[in-house]
Amino acid sequence: DTAVSQTPKYLVTQMGNDKSIKCEQNLGHDTMYWYKQDSKKFLKIMFSYNNKELIINETVPNRFSPKSPDKAHLNLHINSLELGDSAVYFCASSQDYQGGYEQYFGPGTRLTVT
Amino acid sequence: GENVEQHPSTLSVQEGDSAVIKCTYSDSASNYFPWYKQELGKRPQLIIDIRSNVGEKKDQRIAVTLNKTAKHFSLHITETQPEDSAVYFCATQFSGGYNKLIFGAGTRLAVHP
Repeated sequence: DTAVSQTPKYLVTQMGNDKSIKCEQNLGHDTMYWYKQDSKKFLKIMFSYNNKELIINETVPNRFSPKSPDKAHLNLHINSLELGDSAVYFCASSQDYQGGYEQYFGPGTRLTVT
Repeated sequence: GENVEQHPSTLSVQEGDSAVIKCTYSDSASNYFPWYKQELGKRPQLIIDIRSNVGEKKDQRIAVTLNKTAKHFSLHITETQPEDSAVYFCATQFSGGYNKLIFGAGTRLAVHP
């Protein structure tokens, strides 16, 4: 009965490669997010989707491309990986985009670029 | 731009003591203030939140206070236990429109038995 799940949990890859992270929520929420947590634990939003539509797009390199095939899924594809992309990536969901709703986080994907 | 400052960055207390973490924010339109707890290697989880029409909220050993005039809010944990050891994040959000959570930098709390 996992609420927000992500795969893979760990991802180790070399610079220049392309990789994807998948996220699924079974809470019936309309809004999903991608966050990046760096080595200093700072949490920063990257993207948000509401009902498959992109609603928040922070200043993120265009090597990062989110895709939402339906409102329960939000994937993140990263092209031409760089050392600085190493971080933990969290997917999250909330009932609505309006704010004031709890955001439920997935378990995270630890990406290591060598 | 939006900014949330969180202090202290690390906090060490003895079991049974109280712990207080403070945050200040810049966007006066913020009206939702959640606190998240992240245990080592785990996901952030909401522990308590407060909205701008409330000055204080309590849930067992955890309480949050909000001063909208001064634009700061605080997390209070009483009778700390070793399982309270974690990183705590404050956040702010303006509820309405496509608005994002702005997180503080986190406070690493260590509770020593």
